[in-house]
Amino acid sequence: RKEVEQDPGPFNVPEGATVAFNCTYSNSASQSFFWYRQDCRKEPKLLMSVYSSGNEDGRFTAQLNRASQYISLLIRDSKLSDSATYLCVVNLYYGQNFVFGPGTRLSVLP
Amino acid sequence: GAGVSQTPSNKVTEKGKYVELRCDPISGHTALYWYRQSLGQGPEFLIYFQGTGAADDSGLPNDRFFAVRPEGSVSTLKIQRTERGDSAVYLCASSLLTTSGRIHEQYFGPGTRLTVT
Repeated sequence: RKEVEQDPGPFNVPEGATVAFNCTYSNSASQSFFWYRQDCRKEPKLLMSVYSSGNEDGRFTAQLNRASQYISLLIRDSKLSDSATYLCVVNLYYGQNFVFGPGTRLSVLP
Repeated sequence: GAGVSQTPSNKVTEKGKYVELRCDPISGHTALYWYRQSLGQGPEFLIYFQGTGAADDSGLPNDRFFAVRPEGSVSTLKIQRTERGDSAVYLCASSLLTTSGRIHEQYFGPGTRLTVT
């Protein structure tokens, strides 16, 4: 089993739709969790950290369920500019050894 | 300010040759990471530096891969006897060092696309 797994995608959704991505991780000792965004042929960029209580940043909401070892990202009112690959990232040892999932590609269609 | 820079942006080499990939982190960032990304996959961790020392090199696939950071700033990833399977985008990232319960954001460079023919 891979350390971090994500929905295989791709997700093709119309503008304005709500879309949710799921991520599971295998190591219960994992410390910290993040969502990164990667545009085609570009470097990954931090979208948001994921906190135990869940957190929201504008149209983006991240949730963490430590018992189920599950992380989610919800995007509301999706925009064309949200089209990208979304990477789930788990930090195994505090501050080092970040494990990236394979990513889920999102295409928002006009 | 300047972000993370990597050179070269593209490198084509023949199987069996030696290559060096350079990373120039953001000034003041003590932590530096190397990753490798193949098409359709997420970045794969290779090595992590705290200052000059490699704090974790568990991701290096074999002894053909080696990385240094002699002065705690610029880092070089070295690959000996390259193989076709080494073809990938090599990404470097830097961040402030984790302190007192806070993990700082990693800033990635644009990557070096390595093609081994």
